[in-house]
Amino acid sequence: DADVTQTPRNRITKTGKRIMLECSQTKGHDRMYWYRQDPGLGLRLIYYSFDVKDINKGEISDGYSVSRQAQAKFSLSLESAIPNQTALYFCATSGGLGDNEQFFGPGTRLTVL
Amino acid sequence: SQQGEEDPQALSIQEGENATMNCSYKTSINNLQWYRQNSGRGLVHLILIRSNEREKHSGRLRVTLDTSKKSSSLLITASRAADTASYFCATDRTGFQKLVFGTGTRLLVSP
Repeated sequence: DADVTQTPRNRITKTGKRIMLECSQTKGHDRMYWYRQDPGLGLRLIYYSFDVKDINKGEISDGYSVSRQAQAKFSLSLESAIPNQTALYFCATSGGLGDNEQFFGPGTRLTVL
Repeated sequence: SQQGEEDPQALSIQEGENATMNCSYKTSINNLQWYRQNSGRGLVHLILIRSNEREKHSGRLRVTLDTSKKSSSLLITASRAADTASYFCATDRTGFQKLVFGTGTRLLVSP
């Protein structure tokens, strides 16, 4: 089984809808991250969490919210989706000790019509 | 804003040739990491070099780091078609405890 899983893998929705993307990990890591990837822009950090009670905004948090329900689960919500949130979304984890190597999930391809 | 900028943006070579990608960054770092992404999939960590290291090897990968020039290079020797992917550098900036990714280099290795 994959260490970092994301659901759904693909989602098409309409403008104004609320969407939740979920991430689960079995690596036992404390740190979890949400990124979005757009063509030609690399990965940009949306939110990150270093512990269950810790939530931090990243580079592009406007229009998004997150919930860290447990050490293993980190959800990303789009309260009212808009077309420019169409992107590939990745969850990642790291152990937080030493070098901060990150482990990525397979991604969720979100299309907002 | 992006911390890392990579060049070239795209690179096309034949199997057996070497591929070199470069990454420049702006601030002091704890380490610099390289990741690979096959089309539309999650990133996979390849290699990490710390700020006090100048060169590191892992299999066919060789990474160099020049902190005075704030630059790094990734060399893939004897490339294979399976190396076709996008490659990203990511910097772990001093005091920030999170990675900042570059925009990537798309590598195409033709048989």
